[in-house]
Amino acid sequence: EAGVAQSPRYKIIEKRQSVAFWCNPISGHATLYWYQQILGQGPKLLIQFQNNGVVDDSQLPKDRFSAERLKGVDSTLKIQPAKLEDSAVYLCASSMQGTVYNEQFFGPGTRLTVL
Amino acid sequence: SQQGEEDPQALSIQEGENATMNCSYKTSINNLQWYRQNSGRGLVHLILIRSNEREKHSGRLRVTLDTSKKSSSLLITASRAADTASYFCATLEGAQKLVFGQGTRLTINP
Repeated sequence: EAGVAQSPRYKIIEKRQSVAFWCNPISGHATLYWYQQILGQGPKLLIQFQNNGVVDDSQLPKDRFSAERLKGVDSTLKIQPAKLEDSAVYLCASSMQGTVYNEQFFGPGTRLTVL
Repeated sequence: SQQGEEDPQALSIQEGENATMNCSYKTSINNLQWYRQNSGRGLVHLILIRSNEREKHSGRLRVTLDTSKKSSSLLITASRAADTASYFCATLEGAQKLVFGQGTRLTINP
C-alpha cells in the first residue's frame, strides 16, 4: 500500500515570497491533516479536512496560510507571504474516516527554509 | 498548544540497555499514543493505550498510563542502534485532534 506522498521534499525561499506544498493521502483516507513542526518541537496541527470540508483550522495563521482539498483527495498548503518564523517541516497525514482511535499515517514532510 | 511534555528531552544510552521516556499531559484524554520520528522513516505510529488501560506491550515496547497522575511512560527494552530517533507522545482531543508533546531525542550508542 502506498503511503502519504508529499512534494517538494525541500524548499528554500526568501522572506515575503510565496510557496506551496502538495500532499496526496493514502487511498481511501477521508481525513487529511497538515502539521507544522519547528525544529526541536513536536508537530502542531494547522488544519484538518474531512473529505473536502474543513474540520479544524483554529491554529492556521489565516492571514498568510491557506489550504484546500479539492475533490476530497489531494491537498495544497500555501504560504503567502512567508516569514522567517515559517521555517519548519510541514507534515501531511491522513487517517480513515470514522476511526475511533485515529491512527494517523504521516508523509515524509517538506522542509522549508525561509531566508 | 502542546499538551504533552516529554521527559527527558534527550537520552543517550548504550546498545542493549533499556530506555525509558515519560510523558505528562494536562487534560482528560480518550487515548494516548506514542510516535517515533527519524530521518529515514519520518513520523511513525508505535503504540496506542486507551484511557481505561494501565499497561500495554508491543514487541520490545511497553507503555504504561496513569490517568490519576496524567502521565505515561514508554519503555524500550534491549535497545538497538535503529531505535535512535525522537519519540513523541500525543493525546487525542475531541474526536480526531492529536496534540503532540515536545519529544525525547534518544541516541543509542554502539
